[in-house]
Amino acid sequence: QQPVQSPQAVILREGEDAVINCSSSKALYSVHWYRQKHGEAPVFLMILLKGGEQKGHDKISASFNEKKQQSSLYLTASQLSYSGTYFCGTGEYNTDKLIFGTGTRLQVFP
Amino acid sequence: EAQVTQNPRYLITVTGKKLTVTCSQNMNHEYMSWYRQDPGLGLRQIYYSMNVEVTDKGDVPEGYKVSRKEKRNFPLILESPSPNQTSLYFCASADNQETQYFGPGTRLLVL
Repeated sequence: QQPVQSPQAVILREGEDAVINCSSSKALYSVHWYRQKHGEAPVFLMILLKGGEQKGHDKISASFNEKKQQSSLYLTASQLSYSGTYFCGTGEYNTDKLIFGTGTRLQVFP
Repeated sequence: EAQVTQNPRYLITVTGKKLTVTCSQNMNHEYMSWYRQDPGLGLRQIYYSMNVEVTDKGDVPEGYKVSRKEKRNFPLILESPSPNQTSLYFCASADNQETQYFGPGTRLLVL
């Protein structure tokens, strides 16, 4: 079953912050985050492998709450280049499958 | 340049005519995978391969076949395509299943 992402869409002004959530009904081994711009392939952002782990680069960071089976992606002081669709991918124990959510579309306006 | 290539990039075909979409990577990655992307459904995994001669079903394997005879290549085969296989297909490769590098995509239309 696909993880659930929320919200489905976000509209921001440059400089505003956003949070994208990813929840699974199953115990998770890993959470991956990707961004896809229109007409392009998804691009890796980061992976979280341990419960409680937090990662980030530039002004994009993520956290992984293993107990709650969810992850959140934080975009701080958004830039126009952040626009795109964000996908979380979840890895479960005892399987090598990677299951993606349906995506969150983010648009940043000047 | 490190990359994943797919061919063809665009394909229009008719129901029942066998087709193959090739995927090749030059990063010596062990893990390779195929996804299809449809509006509102996100990316769904079709098949994946942990190494040469090792393939496993993803979430939506019906109607597809794959093979992994060499490390660098992972072709996707549609033996008898149907209109519900019209989609955007992505191949990806990864080292240890972590960072996945996606190919540019193949847009398939089955009439």
